[in-house]
Amino acid sequence: AQKVTQAQTEISVVEKEDVTLDCVYETRDTTYYLFWYKQPPSGELVFLIRRNSFDEQNEISGRYSWNFQKSTSSFNFTITASQVVDSAVYFCAFGASGGGADGLTFGKGTHLIIQP
Amino acid sequence: KAGVTQTPRYLIKTRGQQVTLSCSPISGHRSVSWYQQTPGQGLQFLFEYFSETQRNKGNFPGRFSGRQFSNSRSEMNVSTLELGDSALYLCASSFSPPSVDYGYTFGSGTRLTVV
Repeated sequence: AQKVTQAQTEISVVEKEDVTLDCVYETRDTTYYLFWYKQPPSGELVFLIRRNSFDEQNEISGRYSWNFQKSTSSFNFTITASQVVDSAVYFCAFGASGGGADGLTFGKGTHLIIQP
Repeated sequence: KAGVTQTPRYLIKTRGQQVTLSCSPISGHRSVSWYQQTPGQGLQFLFEYFSETQRNKGNFPGRFSGRQFSNSRSEMNVSTLELGDSALYLCASSFSPPSVDYGYTFGSGTRLTVV
Protein backbone atom coordinates (compact mmCIF):
# COMPACT_ATOMS: atom_id res chain seq x y z
CA ALA A 1 0.00 0.00 0.00
CA GLN A 2 1.08 3.53 -0.61
CA LYS A 3 2.00 5.98 2.09
CA VAL A 4 2.49 9.73 2.07
CA THR A 5 4.32 11.47 4.90
CA GLN A 6 4.24 15.17 5.61
CA ALA A 7 6.44 15.41 8.65
CA GLN A 8 5.80 19.10 9.27
CA THR A 9 2.52 19.41 11.13
CA GLU A 10 2.65 23.18 11.37
CA ILE A 11 4.95 25.87 10.01
CA SER A 12 4.81 29.52 10.98
CA VAL A 13 6.79 32.17 9.11
CA VAL A 14 6.71 35.90 8.71
CA GLU A 15 5.36 37.34 5.49
CA LYS A 16 7.87 37.54 2.61
CA GLU A 17 9.93 34.64 3.91
CA ASP A 18 10.41 31.59 1.71
CA VAL A 19 8.99 28.34 3.02
CA THR A 20 9.30 24.72 1.91
CA LEU A 21 6.74 22.02 2.65
CA ASP A 22 8.11 18.51 2.61
CA CYS A 23 6.42 15.42 1.17
CA VAL A 24 7.82 11.89 1.13
CA TYR A 25 5.98 8.94 -0.36
CA GLU A 26 6.30 5.18 -0.42
CA THR A 27 5.08 2.96 -3.24
CA ARG A 28 5.91 -0.08 -5.30
CA ASP A 29 4.06 1.28 -8.30
CA THR A 30 6.18 2.36 -11.23
CA THR A 31 3.66 4.74 -12.74
CA TYR A 32 1.87 7.18 -10.53
CA TYR A 33 0.88 10.77 -9.96
CA LEU A 34 1.68 13.14 -7.13
CA PHE A 35 -0.50 16.06 -6.19
CA TRP A 36 -0.50 19.11 -3.98
CA TYR A 37 -3.72 20.64 -2.73
CA LYS A 38 -4.42 23.73 -0.65
CA GLN A 39 -7.26 23.73 1.86
CA PRO A 40 -8.35 27.13 3.14
CA PRO A 41 -10.69 27.41 6.15
CA SER A 42 -13.70 27.11 3.81
CA GLY A 43 -12.81 23.44 3.39
CA GLU A 44 -12.52 23.09 -0.36
CA LEU A 45 -9.43 21.33 -1.65
CA VAL A 46 -7.84 23.62 -4.21
CA PHE A 47 -5.72 21.88 -6.82
CA LEU A 48 -2.16 23.20 -7.14
CA ILE A 49 -0.21 20.69 -9.19
CA ARG A 50 -0.20 17.15 -10.55
CA ARG A 51 3.07 15.48 -11.49
CA ASN A 52 3.56 12.22 -13.38
CA SER A 53 6.20 9.84 -12.04
CA PHE A 54 8.06 9.95 -15.35
CA ASP A 55 8.43 13.71 -15.29
CA GLU A 56 11.08 14.76 -12.80
CA GLN A 57 11.42 18.29 -14.09
CA ASN A 58 10.98 20.92 -11.45
CA GLU A 59 8.08 23.26 -12.01
CA ILE A 60 7.60 26.89 -11.21
CA SER A 61 4.31 28.73 -11.21
CA GLY A 62 4.62 32.29 -10.02
CA ARG A 63 5.71 32.18 -6.38
CA TYR A 64 5.18 28.44 -6.21
CA SER A 65 7.74 25.81 -7.16
CA TRP A 66 7.91 22.06 -6.84
CA ASN A 67 10.94 19.78 -6.58
CA PHE A 68 10.30 16.15 -7.51
CA GLN A 69 13.11 13.72 -6.74
CA LYS A 70 12.31 10.12 -7.51
CA SER A 71 15.61 8.94 -6.00
CA THR A 72 14.51 10.14 -2.56
CA SER A 73 10.76 9.67 -3.13
CA SER A 74 10.13 13.30 -2.35
CA PHE A 75 7.93 15.95 -3.84
CA ASN A 76 8.57 19.19 -2.00
CA PHE A 77 6.71 22.44 -2.41
CA THR A 78 8.28 25.88 -1.97
CA ILE A 79 6.51 29.20 -1.65
CA THR A 80 8.73 32.16 -2.37
CA ALA A 81 8.04 35.51 -0.75
CA SER A 82 5.11 34.14 1.24
CA GLN A 83 1.95 36.17 1.70
CA VAL A 84 -0.77 36.09 4.35
CA VAL A 85 -3.18 34.67 1.74
CA ASP A 86 -0.96 31.59 1.55
CA SER A 87 -2.07 30.61 5.04
CA ALA A 88 -3.89 27.28 4.75
CA VAL A 89 -3.43 23.55 5.20
CA TYR A 90 -1.48 21.98 2.37
CA PHE A 91 -1.84 18.34 1.41
CA CYS A 92 0.41 16.14 -0.65
CA ALA A 93 -1.30 13.15 -2.27
CA PHE A 94 -0.42 10.04 -4.24
CA GLY A 95 -2.46 8.25 -6.89
CA ALA A 96 -1.56 5.09 -8.79
CA SER A 97 -1.88 5.61 -12.52
CA GLY A 98 -4.46 3.49 -14.22
CA GLY A 99 -6.85 3.67 -11.34
CA GLY A 100 -5.67 2.08 -8.15
CA ALA A 101 -8.30 0.73 -5.83
CA ASP A 102 -7.42 3.18 -3.09
CA GLY A 103 -8.21 6.46 -4.81
CA LEU A 104 -5.88 9.19 -3.65
CA THR A 105 -3.69 8.62 -0.61
CA PHE A 106 -3.18 11.84 1.29
CA GLY A 107 -0.57 12.96 3.77
CA LYS A 108 -1.74 14.37 7.10
CA GLY A 109 -1.22 17.91 5.86
CA THR A 110 0.94 20.85 6.87
CA HIS A 111 -0.74 23.84 8.45
CA LEU A 112 1.05 26.90 7.11
CA ILE A 113 0.68 30.14 9.02
CA ILE A 114 1.97 33.31 7.43
CA GLN A 115 2.20 36.13 9.94
CA PRO A 116 1.99 39.73 8.75
CA LYS B 1 -18.17 26.66 -15.72
CA ALA B 2 -19.78 25.59 -12.46
CA GLY B 3 -17.63 23.68 -10.02
CA VAL B 4 -18.44 20.64 -7.96
CA THR B 5 -21.57 21.30 -5.90
CA GLN B 6 -22.16 19.58 -2.59
CA THR B 7 -25.32 19.89 -0.55
CA PRO B 8 -26.05 20.51 2.19
CA ARG B 9 -23.08 22.53 3.40
CA TYR B 10 -23.68 21.73 7.06
CA LEU B 11 -25.66 19.00 8.75
CA ILE B 12 -26.36 18.02 12.34
CA LYS B 13 -27.71 14.55 13.05
CA THR B 14 -28.35 12.41 16.09
CA ARG B 15 -26.66 9.09 16.76
CA GLY B 16 -28.54 6.23 15.15
CA GLN B 17 -30.05 8.34 12.39
CA GLN B 18 -29.12 8.09 8.77
CA VAL B 19 -27.98 10.84 6.41
CA THR B 20 -27.76 11.41 2.68
CA LEU B 21 -25.27 13.78 1.10
CA SER B 22 -25.39 14.96 -2.49
CA CYS B 23 -22.73 15.83 -5.05
CA SER B 24 -23.14 17.28 -8.52
CA PRO B 25 -19.96 16.99 -10.58
CA ILE B 26 -18.63 19.46 -13.07
CA SER B 27 -20.60 19.34 -16.31
CA GLY B 28 -19.08 16.67 -18.53
CA HIS B 29 -17.38 14.87 -15.68
CA ARG B 30 -18.65 11.35 -15.26
CA SER B 31 -16.62 10.02 -12.36
CA VAL B 32 -17.36 10.93 -8.74
CA SER B 33 -15.27 10.05 -5.71
CA TRP B 34 -16.00 10.59 -2.03
CA TYR B 35 -13.56 11.27 0.78
CA GLN B 36 -13.95 11.59 4.54
CA GLN B 37 -11.81 14.07 6.43
CA THR B 38 -11.44 13.85 10.21
CA PRO B 39 -8.85 15.40 12.55
CA GLY B 40 -7.64 11.97 13.62
CA GLN B 41 -7.57 9.98 10.39
CA GLY B 42 -7.10 12.79 7.90
CA LEU B 43 -8.41 12.40 4.37
CA GLN B 44 -9.56 8.89 3.52
CA PHE B 45 -11.02 7.48 0.31
CA LEU B 46 -14.58 6.23 0.61
CA PHE B 47 -15.61 5.16 -2.88
CA GLU B 48 -15.66 6.04 -6.56
CA TYR B 49 -18.56 5.87 -9.01
CA PHE B 50 -18.68 5.84 -12.79
CA SER B 51 -21.58 5.02 -15.07
CA GLU B 52 -23.80 4.43 -12.06
CA THR B 53 -21.47 1.68 -10.83
CA GLN B 54 -19.18 1.62 -7.84
CA ARG B 55 -15.65 1.07 -9.14
CA ASN B 56 -13.66 1.13 -5.93
CA LYS B 57 -14.33 1.29 -2.24
CA GLY B 58 -12.10 2.24 0.64
CA ASN B 59 -11.87 0.56 4.00
CA PHE B 60 -15.16 1.68 5.51
CA PRO B 61 -17.98 -0.34 7.06
CA GLY B 62 -21.11 -1.23 5.13
CA ARG B 63 -22.97 1.62 6.83
CA PHE B 64 -21.37 3.83 4.22
CA SER B 65 -22.91 3.46 0.80
CA GLY B 66 -23.43 5.50 -2.29
CA ARG B 67 -24.94 5.62 -5.70
CA GLN B 68 -24.67 7.53 -8.93
CA PHE B 69 -27.46 8.62 -11.21
CA SER B 70 -27.58 8.71 -14.99
CA ASN B 71 -26.77 12.44 -14.96
CA SER B 72 -23.57 11.63 -12.99
CA ARG B 73 -24.85 13.19 -9.78
CA SER B 74 -23.95 11.12 -6.78
CA GLU B 75 -25.27 10.59 -3.29
CA MET B 76 -23.66 8.96 -0.32
CA ASN B 77 -25.57 7.55 2.61
CA VAL B 78 -24.47 6.78 6.13
CA SER B 79 -26.82 4.68 8.20
CA THR B 80 -26.90 4.22 11.97
CA LEU B 81 -24.74 7.26 12.56
CA GLU B 82 -22.01 7.14 15.18
CA LEU B 83 -20.24 10.02 16.86
CA GLY B 84 -17.09 9.06 14.95
CA ASP B 85 -18.83 9.76 11.65
CA SER B 86 -18.59 13.47 12.36
CA ALA B 87 -16.40 14.72 9.57
CA LEU B 88 -16.05 16.84 6.47
CA TYR B 89 -17.20 14.78 3.50
CA LEU B 90 -15.61 15.85 0.25
CA CYS B 91 -16.71 14.95 -3.22
CA ALA B 92 -14.34 15.01 -6.20
CA SER B 93 -15.27 14.84 -9.85
CA SER B 94 -13.16 13.66 -12.72
CA PHE B 95 -13.72 13.44 -16.45
CA SER B 96 -13.48 9.66 -16.53
CA PRO B 97 -11.70 6.77 -14.90
CA PRO B 98 -8.90 6.31 -14.27
CA SER B 99 -9.57 9.48 -12.32
CA VAL B 100 -5.98 9.83 -11.19
CA ASP B 101 -4.85 10.15 -14.80
CA TYR B 102 -7.38 12.89 -15.52
CA GLY B 103 -7.14 14.74 -12.25
CA TYR B 104 -9.75 15.66 -9.67
CA THR B 105 -11.76 18.74 -8.81
CA PHE B 106 -13.06 18.85 -5.26
CA GLY B 107 -16.18 20.44 -3.89
CA SER B 108 -16.41 22.51 -0.70
CA GLY B 109 -17.67 19.56 1.27
CA THR B 110 -20.49 18.77 3.65
CA ARG B 111 -19.65 19.14 7.31
CA LEU B 112 -21.55 16.49 9.26
CA THR B 113 -21.84 16.68 13.01
CA VAL B 114 -23.28 13.72 14.88
CA VAL B 115 -24.54 14.46 18.40
